[in-house]
Formats: sequence, C-alpha cells, structure tokens
Amino acid sequence: DIVMTQSPDSLAVSLGERATINCKSSQSVLYRSNNKDYLAWYQQKPGQPPKLLIYWASTRESGVPDRFSGSGSGTDFTLTISSLQAEDVAVYYCQQYYSTPYTFGQGTKLEIK
Amino acid sequence: EVQLVESGGGLVQPGGSLRLSCAASGFTVSSNYMNWVRQAPGEGLEWVSIIYSGGNTYYADSVKGRFTISRDNSKNTLYLQMNSLRVEDTAVYYCARDSGRVRGENSDFDCWGQGTLVTVSS
Repeated sequence: DIVMTQSPDSLAVSLGERATINCKSSQSVLYRSNNKDYLAWYQQKPGQPPKLLIYWASTRESGVPDRFSGSGSGTDFTLTISSLQAEDVAVYYCQQYYSTPYTFGQGTKLEIK
Repeated sequence: EVQLVESGGGLVQPGGSLRLSCAASGFTVSSNYMNWVRQAPGEGLEWVSIIYSGGNTYYADSVKGRFTISRDNSKNTLYLQMNSLRVEDTAVYYCARDSGRVRGENSDFDCWGQGTLVTVSS
C-alpha cells in the first residue's frame, strides 16, 4: 500500500498570509504513460464531507478560488494557500489514486493565528 | 445537479449487520466508479471500497470478507452491506464518485454525500 504522510499535523497562519501543507508518498504516484501525478487535495470543514480542491497534483477543480494551488511530482507535493481567508479554516487531506487501496494523508488542521 | 444521499446508518451491536444506501441523482451510478470512504470520530479519512463500472470490486484489507459493495442500476443507488461489525467500524460512511477524468482509469473523488453515521457498540 502507498503511505501518504502530511506535514505539519497542524498549522496556524495569520489572515492574508501564506499557508503551505506538504504531502509525501511512500512511492511515486506519477504515471509515466501520461506524465500525470495521481494526487488530489481535499478540504474538510467541521460537520461537512470533504471537498475536492486539486486533482492531478496541480489542477484546480472548477469553482475553487485561485488562492489555492498545488505543486510537486513523483513523491513530494505541496498545497499552498496564497492569502489565507477566514473561510479556509479546515482540515486538508492529500490522497493518492494511483493504485488501490487508495490512501489519504492523516490530515493537516489549518487555523487562524 | 449531481447529488449523493446516504442512509441506513445507526446503532448496531458488535457482530451485527447493517446495509448502507447511497442514492444518486444527476448522473448514472453504473457508468461511474463509485466508492465508500469512512471517517472514525475525530479521525482522518479511510477508503473502504470501490465498484467499477464493469462491476469489479475492491476492498480495504480492514473490511475484506465482511463488507460487500453493490449497486442497483434501476434505482441508481449504491450499497454497502456490512456484516460481522466491529467496534472499530464505528465511523461516518461517505459515498463518493470517481470523477472519471480519464476513461478507464482511477481518478479523484469529485462528489461526496453528506455521510451516514454507523455506531457499533454493545
């Protein structure tokens, strides 16, 4: 199974500042045949289901604000929120869909400083 | 509008059974890869099972042999039959649609239901 490890576990950032969350996979999730990384990022607010933010490591889902961006390839990935807004307080998860069993990172709790 | 609505959760004793349902609207369940994902109280997300459009299924090791994923095409509904339930199966269970961005390949989950809570306790 591919193990997904996020860092940090929690993060406090001031409003308007940048937030960076990292995700590392235990093996590459890059498909050489199409040069795509099978890595997604989700946002989960309390009492709500997860919401897809980013797929293929760096493609923003329709309707997601452009302050959210994803980067990285192979085994190392980053979710960046360029200017933190109050509504961004949530837990963020990375997920690999390269192979089953699909696996998620343990989550990163983002709070306002 | 694409929507998933789960039902069937509740309190069950260890060793008992429960069947969860996930009613879909706005798309056809049988044309998509469909998943169950669970979240224990205060914990992270754990993928449970997938049913492919062709009907093949796959399970997490933690539920293999106890849970069965299926669908009813006439009702456009996904199911999860859970048998031999354990205390550690206590969680909110979500159904989630594979986005199908590349035909025939695994993809991200672009639509999630609100979840249904399963509590296994004596």
